Amino acid sequence: DAGVIQSPRHEVTEMGQEVTLRCKPISGHDYLFWYRQTMMRGLELLIYFNNNVPIDDSGMPEDRFSAKMPNASFSTLKIQPSEPRDSAVYFCAILVGAGSTGELFFGEGSRLTVL
Amino acid sequence: AQSVAQPEDQVNVAEGNPLTVKCTYSVSGNPYLFWYVQYPNRGLQFLLKYITGDNLVKGSYGFEAEFNKSQTSFHLKKPSALVSDSALYFCAVRAPNNAGNMLTFGGGTRLMVKP
Repeated sequence: DAGVIQSPRHEVTEMGQEVTLRCKPISGHDYLFWYRQTMMRGLELLIYFNNNVPIDDSGMPEDRFSAKMPNASFSTLKIQPSEPRDSAVYFCAILVGAGSTGELFFGEGSRLTVL
Repeated sequence: AQSVAQPEDQVNVAEGNPLTVKCTYSVSGNPYLFWYVQYPNRGLQFLLKYITGDNLVKGSYGFEAEFNKSQTSFHLKKPSALVSDSALYFCAVRAPNNAGNMLTFGGGTRLMVKP
């Protein structure tokens, strides 16, 4: 789906390594969300941005996680150092439509495996 | 606070039969309700939403959902299931006054349509 491009699609790394996940949304959308999906916990909201500013990061599991949005067309989610329990699929999504009635448009996700 | 419950982890249905995937919600005020579908190794895709008006909402791929305020439900339905409908389905809710336009997702229901 061209609306949100995520990279890498798959990442396998070893415990302790730094991981950076990238999201390139169509610019012009005010809200960007990072979600994590696991079998055990389902879909969890990690953090969201409004006009490139982080608004709520209460879902970020630990200080090892950080996210940035330097401009409207790019966001990163970084894990340092990574741990096996971070293995999950990470999704980036943008809000499409008019504010509170709009729907989320998801990227294809980045599947992270930490060995 | 807003929450969503999908009481069934899995729904099995024969091809050609009608299907229902259940969703109940809890939110302050009138809810905005959404259904998403996720195919294997893909991101979530928007199916339909209820904002206001007619309680029966029609969406993509022949799906529809009925908003029932008294039962606080928003069940997803399709008159005749296809094998290709087999996927993971998520219900989501947003309160109209949700400052961050955040969606709260249910745990998901796996739909299996057998030939």
